[in-house]
Amino acid sequence: AQTVTQSQPEMSVQEAETVTLSCTYDTSESDYYLFWYKQPPSRQMILVIRQEAYKQQNATENRFSVNFQKAAKSFSLKISDSQLGDAAMYFCAYRSARGGATNKLIFGTGTLLAVQP
Amino acid sequence: NAGVTQTPKFRVLKTGQSMTLLCAQDMNHEYMYWYRQDPGMGLRLIHYSVGEGTTAKGEVPDGYNVSRLKKQNFLLGLESAAPSQTSVYFCASSPPQNSYRLYEQYFGPGTRLTVT
Repeated sequence: AQTVTQSQPEMSVQEAETVTLSCTYDTSESDYYLFWYKQPPSRQMILVIRQEAYKQQNATENRFSVNFQKAAKSFSLKISDSQLGDAAMYFCAYRSARGGATNKLIFGTGTLLAVQP
Repeated sequence: NAGVTQTPKFRVLKTGQSMTLLCAQDMNHEYMYWYRQDPGMGLRLIHYSVGEGTTAKGEVPDGYNVSRLKKQNFLLGLESAAPSQTSVYFCASSPPQNSYRLYEQYFGPGTRLTVT
């Protein structure tokens, strides 16, 4: 069974600085997808960034980028130029890409990010 | 489009009471899911459905039942609520898996349920 581990329950960053959130996962599959979701105090789950495992190039979305290390099974999220609105719980998630899979997401336990003004 | 909506947003139940959470999506998605979120545990899959009239168990199905009588609706039922079911419940939907395109899951706003 696949598992996702986020070892940092809480992180803090100064406004305008850069922060990296860690995520590791365990799987025997070779084809899968990885996601970072943001959950602000409103509770709404917002997709931040996604990575296809077959792509070697790291995904980027504006100030958000990932460091995907497939051999190490590591998928960290880097937030550059942190803003007050980035304060939220961040979840790393895994999804199988194999045929017949049902798009189920497996989540980590989350990292609560605080942004200090 | 309203996306994914959940009813109700908040509910307090007494132990032993029953209730149904309603999830509705207007995106014509085949797949729908129910997750629960607990502190320190992330989101865990309760049940899911890959199409109208079909349901399947997820990671933590005990104490819950589901029905998907219409494609756009996915109901989560608690027949006899227990304090351990105090949680935030999220519904999500997505198109079916497609090897040519990566489809994301779309989440509802969540329902906070407290069982006393």
